[in-house]
Amino acid sequence: ETVMTQSPATLSVSPGERATLSCRASQSVSSNLAWYQQKPGQAPRLLISGTSTRATGIPARFSGSGSGTEFTLTISSLQSEDFAVYYCQQYNNWPWTFGQGTKVEIK
Amino acid sequence: QVQLQQSGPGLVKPSQTLSLTCAISGNTVSSNSVTWNWVRQSPTRGLEWLGRTYYRSKWSNDYAESVKSRITINPDTSKNQFSLQLKSVTPEDTAVYYCVEVISGIFVYWGQGTVVAVSS
Repeated sequence: ETVMTQSPATLSVSPGERATLSCRASQSVSSNLAWYQQKPGQAPRLLISGTSTRATGIPARFSGSGSGTEFTLTISSLQSEDFAVYYCQQYNNWPWTFGQGTKVEIK
Repeated sequence: QVQLQQSGPGLVKPSQTLSLTCAISGNTVSSNSVTWNWVRQSPTRGLEWLGRTYYRSKWSNDYAESVKSRITINPDTSKNQFSLQLKSVTPEDTAVYYCVEVISGIFVYWGQGTVVAVSS
């Protein structure tokens, strides 16, 4: 199966700063890559699909890029509500698989 | 807007069967454009897809290799819901379990999650 590796495991960022999260696939997933946000006690929430398409209601400060095996989620100016865990997920190769997550914490 | 409401016990004894149900509103379990999935999350295994059921002129299922011998996912069209049964559970099956509507591989709508502990 396709292994998704996220880095770093934890990212310490000050409010208002930019956060850059990485996701690497063990084989090409084309552009079939999604990102999810999870806050404590909540289910994951879809942020981005198709590498760069924001889901309904997701602010423009969230952007995604990449293709093949290397992907990036960028949060341009972190707000207090953005401190959470972020997961990538590929849906190009069966079975669908998730990364282990990057925790974005307040610096 | 699709909403998924999970129900089921939060404590299961070792060797017994874990059973959860996911009630669907805003869509039908017989939809031929989505799949109905179960995912679990634990500190050791992260987010782990377990299996799915879906209708494409007939009902089909797919299961993760890690649980294939123990899992059953069934639709219930009369109640517009689907269920998860996981047999012969061990403490390694302790996790938060989610039901999810998946559209073209994207995990769009999630249930609220059920914390399931396997303990005697």
